[in-house]
Formats: sequence, C-alpha cells, structure tokens
Amino acid sequence: NAGVTQTPKFQVLKTGQSMTLQCAQDMNHEYMSWYRQDPGMGLRLIHYSVGAGITDQGEVPNGYNVSRSTTEDFPLRLLSAAPSQTSVYFCASSYSIWQGANTGELFFGEGSRLTVL
Amino acid sequence: KNEVEQSPQNLTAQEGEFITINCSYSVGISALHWLQQHPGGGIVSLFMLSSGKKKHGRLIATINIQEKHSSLHITASHPRDSAVYICAGGGGATNKLIFGTGTLLAVQP
Repeated sequence: NAGVTQTPKFQVLKTGQSMTLQCAQDMNHEYMSWYRQDPGMGLRLIHYSVGAGITDQGEVPNGYNVSRSTTEDFPLRLLSAAPSQTSVYFCASSYSIWQGANTGELFFGEGSRLTVL
Repeated sequence: KNEVEQSPQNLTAQEGEFITINCSYSVGISALHWLQQHPGGGIVSLFMLSSGKKKHGRLIATINIQEKHSSLHITASHPRDSAVYICAGGGGATNKLIFGTGTLLAVQP
C-alpha cells in the first residue's frame, strides 16, 4: 500500500513549456484533489474530483487542466507554464471529505516543487 | 478574506509546555481538519472533527460549532512537535476545503 504517489518531486520549466504532474493512489479513494502552496498563503485548491470521469474547478484553476479516467490517477497538466505557477504542488485523496461513519482522513502526496523561469 | 483564520501565526515553546493553536471559521463550514507539516516535508492528517473532541496520544482537538472555533492542544510538548499546523474547513455539498495559513510551532529543548 503506497498511499499517494506524486511525481516528479522537482521540476524546472521555461515559460511557455507544458508538463504533467502525476498523482496516483492505491486506496480506492473517491476524492482526489490538487493544491498549490505558496509562502504566506494557505493551501489553495486547484481542481478536484469526486470520482472517475468527474472533475471540478477549485479556487485557482486557471492555467491548469485535470482529468480522471481511472479511480487511481489524477494528473495535473500545466498548459503553458508561467512564472506565477512557481509553487509547491500537493495532491491529496480521501475516501470522502465528509463522513458519517469513518474518519474522512486526507492523505497527501510528498509534494512537487515547480520552478518556472 | 480567508474564511479560516488561525492564531497565532508563530509560536515558540519550551519542551514540556502545554500548547494551544486556535482556528476560527465562517458560516458554511461545518467540520475541520487539522494537519501537520514538518519543514520541507509532506502533510499529514491529524484529525477531522465535526463536533466535540478527539484525542490521539499527546494531541487533542476540540471544536465548538456554535462559536465556529476549533483548538488543537499539544500536551508535554517535545522538539519533534516542531512543525506547521494547518486547519482546513469545509462542509455542505461543495467538497471543497478552505485552508488556514498555518501556525509555525517551534519547541525548544
């Protein structure tokens, strides 16, 4: 049971390049989400998914695309990287956010540090 | 304006002290997560609670729904407790969490 696996851990891009951050979980979680963490700010939700084939925008979706073709995978695509997208990105999953019967615990990946020059 | 406010932003304690970190939130948030992030490290879930109190080891989390306030307590603090503690609130049908900016805790030996 690997939990949430997030790759790559580090990436440097030039402005205008595209890339995909990978996120996979092996816990059969319905809910998966992507956040960015910037100094002095709380984690901000980029996109989330409540199941395969279902995605929705979060607080800061511009410049990012997601898809959820399987329960396990939730990749985040940067379409045309900009310096403003320099950040640390976290993927997280949960069986469900709000639970009656169980903990609703959030599981985070180790983070991906992205620098856009 | 962030709908989840944490205090204090920074906290320094001596080993063994009792520590309290507070989280206040706005209408529409009905439950809270408490998370821990060590420097340069990943994020770990400590608690999720929508009422009352939960305890795990030296950590205790409480929530008061009427006052829209939650606290995280650490008893007999230790240098290994040094980390950023984050509260995140959400609820209803949005499936979206709103995060506080975190409390940086340093426990000195």
